[in-house]
Amino acid sequence: QKEVEQNSGPLSVPEGAIASLNCTYSDRGSQSFFWYRQYSGKSPELIMFIYSNGDKEDGRFTAQLNKASQYVSLLIRDSQPSDSATYLCAVTGNQFYFGTGTSLTVIP
Amino acid sequence: AAGVIQSPRHLIKEKRETATLKCYPIPRHDTVYWYQQGPGQDPQFLISFYEKMQSDKGSIPDRFSAQQFSDYHSELNMSSLELGDSALYFCASSLRNPTGELFFGEGSRLTVL
Repeated sequence: QKEVEQNSGPLSVPEGAIASLNCTYSDRGSQSFFWYRQYSGKSPELIMFIYSNGDKEDGRFTAQLNKASQYVSLLIRDSQPSDSATYLCAVTGNQFYFGTGTSLTVIP
Repeated sequence: AAGVIQSPRHLIKEKRETATLKCYPIPRHDTVYWYQQGPGQDPQFLISFYEKMQSDKGSIPDRFSAQQFSDYHSELNMSSLELGDSALYFCASSLRNPTGELFFGEGSRLTVL
């Protein structure tokens, strides 16, 4: 079992809709949770980080963390075609673990 | 703001050759990570350094070695290259604390022919 699990997708949503990306992790001692966006052939770019249970909002992005369920999600509101990318969930334990990524396509 | 600098951006090598990738972390960051990412794959952790000492080791082949120098830059040395080593190699840096986010360089694309 991988440390971090994500649905690989692909996930397709129409422009303007809400995209929901989900991630589970295995280490209950994990302390920090990150969402990275990666365009093809480019380096991962930090979108959001969250440390405490609950929701954290930044513009069109909302990260949700539930440590009891070992679950972290990313909501993208008013999705735009430029949001089309692979989204990587990352969790810090002893190392910095990445999920396999979810491919998102926003259809104009 | 200064970012993580990697060089070279592109590298083409023959099988069994050697290659060296360089990484210059964000100033004052004390931890450097190396990742390998094959096509359609998530980044695979290779190795990390904290204050110039190796801190964690991931799926780094024995043919690879890395070190961090006194100026905090890091080099990844790859020998006896194989076709399967063709990938994007990312360096990332952070401030070492439990919540430190990683900032990535633009990557070095290695092609082994």
